[in-house]
Amino acid sequence: QVQLQESGPGLVKPSQTLSLTCIVSGGSISSGGYYWSWIRQPAGKGLEWIGRMYITGSTNYNPSLNSRVTISLDTSKNQFSLKLTSVTAADTAVYYCARGVYCSGTSCYTPNWFDPWGQGALVTVSS
Amino acid sequence: SVLTQPPSVSGAPGQRVTISCTGSNSNIGAGYDVHWYQQLPGKAPKLLIYVNTNRPSGVPDRFSGSKSGTSASLAITGLQVEDEADYYCQSYDYTLSGSVFGGGTKLTVL
Repeated sequence: QVQLQESGPGLVKPSQTLSLTCIVSGGSISSGGYYWSWIRQPAGKGLEWIGRMYITGSTNYNPSLNSRVTISLDTSKNQFSLKLTSVTAADTAVYYCARGVYCSGTSCYTPNWFDPWGQGALVTVSS
Repeated sequence: SVLTQPPSVSGAPGQRVTISCTGSNSNIGAGYDVHWYQQLPGKAPKLLIYVNTNRPSGVPDRFSGSKSGTSASLAITGLQVEDEADYYCQSYDYTLSGSVFGGGTKLTVL
């Protein structure tokens, strides 16, 4: 059973870069068939999709964050990462990593759904 | 949010409730699929319904999903206290070129 676990600093200073890693266990990110994704949730608010990466290197990012976001895969460590530059207090949130699934049986769908999710990592942007 | 959900719904144990997810012709109305998640207090979201109507293994058949036109709905029958949670819909919007979520609906079991 695939499990995901976020790790990284819980406090980041304004204007600096937020960096998080998602460690994947119980399955290989190299196997293909999934999008490795990040989603965030400010306290008391809803979910916001950040972006995703496929094993081929293809990425898609939320246009509202596009210029500041980079998602990368490290197949040797079976993990993927998120970098968000020039952070402000508005980037304070719980950050979730998730596996994006888009095929079931022989059929594939848009958009992918997220299953499973990591437990979440709270990142606070403050000086 | 691009997808509109009621902020809250409530029902008594044993009753049936529905949660709507209203989109537009650039997302649900364009034929994109809808997925639903349950987020228990203090926990990560969990997949509840995928591709409009499908339940993952382990999700009770009290939960069902439907989609029509520019909207989708989640129905919960035989409400239980443990169903108290936030529920989110998710789809795709081609003008944004990415996944979008509804604002979430808080379910209270009275």
